[in-house]
Amino acid sequence: EIVMTQSPVTLSVSPGDRATLSCRASQSVSSNLAWYQQRPGQAPRLLIYAAVTRATGVPARFSGSGSGTEFTLSISSLQSEDFAVYYCQQYDNWPPYTFGQGTKLEIK
Amino acid sequence: QVHLVQSGAEVKKPGSSVKVSCKVSGGTLSSYSINWVRQAPGQGLEWMGGIIPMFRRTNYAQRFQGRVTITADRSTNTVYLELTSLGPEDTALYYCAYYGSASPGWFDSWGQGTLVTVSS
Repeated sequence: EIVMTQSPVTLSVSPGDRATLSCRASQSVSSNLAWYQQRPGQAPRLLIYAAVTRATGVPARFSGSGSGTEFTLSISSLQSEDFAVYYCQQYDNWPPYTFGQGTKLEIK
Repeated sequence: QVHLVQSGAEVKKPGSSVKVSCKVSGGTLSSYSINWVRQAPGQGLEWMGGIIPMFRRTNYAQRFQGRVTITADRSTNTVYLELTSLGPEDTALYYCAYYGSASPGWFDSWGQGTLVTVSS
């Protein structure tokens, strides 16, 4: 089973600033990685797939990068609605699909 | 755009079973996969298993093998998750999540979640 590790666990950033979230896989997942946003009381929402491709309707301030074992989700110019929990998920080697433990992005 | 609607909250006794449904509508329903992902209170996301209804093919996470069954009724576009031998650790929000043939492996639509509470 591929283990996904996200860092940091909590990230405090001021509105308008840039946030950088990391995700590491225990073995290469090529570019088979997705990012999700989960706001309180809501289901997860797909942001990024194939490591770098924004899902339909996702603002351009969200961007993904990386391949192999190291991935990054960047959010430029943070808006109030961006403060949420973010998860990465690999779909290279399954079952099982595996998620990171999440990064909580909070207002500084 | 695929829309997923799940059944309502459940309260179960330890040792019992629960069956949760997920009705699929809209979009392209051929060769799609419905998966179940659970989230314990205050915790992260955990994939439990999935089904491709067209082929009745299922995959399960090892840790749930023997306790979980995922089935599909193609006539009503409804997928079911049944979990047996419930314990307090199974208290969680259970989400169904969709991917189609154009999005193999990432979940681009999610149900609203079904809260299952296991308590004596």
